[in-house]
Amino acid sequence: KAGVTQTPRYLIKTRGQQVTLSCSPISGHRSVSWYQQTPGQGLQFLFEYFSETQRNKGNFPGRFSGRQFSNSRSEMNVSTLELGDSALYLCASSSAPGQGMESPLHFGNGTRLTVT
Amino acid sequence: QKEVEQNSGPLSVPEGAIASLNCTYSDRVSQSFFWYRQYSGKSPELIMSIYSNGDKEDGRFTAQLNKASQYVSLLIRDSQPSDSATYLCAVKRSNYQLIWGAGTKLIIKP
Repeated sequence: KAGVTQTPRYLIKTRGQQVTLSCSPISGHRSVSWYQQTPGQGLQFLFEYFSETQRNKGNFPGRFSGRQFSNSRSEMNVSTLELGDSALYLCASSSAPGQGMESPLHFGNGTRLTVT
Repeated sequence: QKEVEQNSGPLSVPEGAIASLNCTYSDRVSQSFFWYRQYSGKSPELIMSIYSNGDKEDGRFTAQLNKASQYVSLLIRDSQPSDSATYLCAVKRSNYQLIWGAGTKLIIKP
């Protein structure tokens, strides 16, 4: 079974630009979560989608947005990039969003975003 | 105070010894607790989950949960150099959102 696929692996953007990251979950998984990981802050939750609906959202500004398509693939968009947005962005899929106990997160390899 | 707290380490343990990793959380109604391992440059991977008070064993790993004291720990027996990684504690809130600790870096010395 293929794992979670994130594209692209690396991105270099300049301040003020916008960026779109893509995530394809494990086949059959309908829940997709996005995280930002930085050395200082650790893993910070961005949002979670299940069946094309946003179920939870973290404490990030409105410049961070996402969506999920009918095939469960998800995209995350960051507009008006700031230097502080430089981070590893991780996508994780699971079979269900918090329903039942055994729905662990399976992470992709991440997209490393550098804002200059 | 952070919702989920872990000692950042690094925690240095001799090969073959027991490594003990701790995590405390503030949301009393949390019901699900997870330990993820993250190797340098890699993504986190789930190694243990625990939902009930007490111990849960899986091979060399034992997760311990004490809801009254609001802490969860991970013991690694017979530590190997391949166990060197950052261990992330994650707690699922009542609204199903996972809250993560900053992680403890574990170094197993041969």
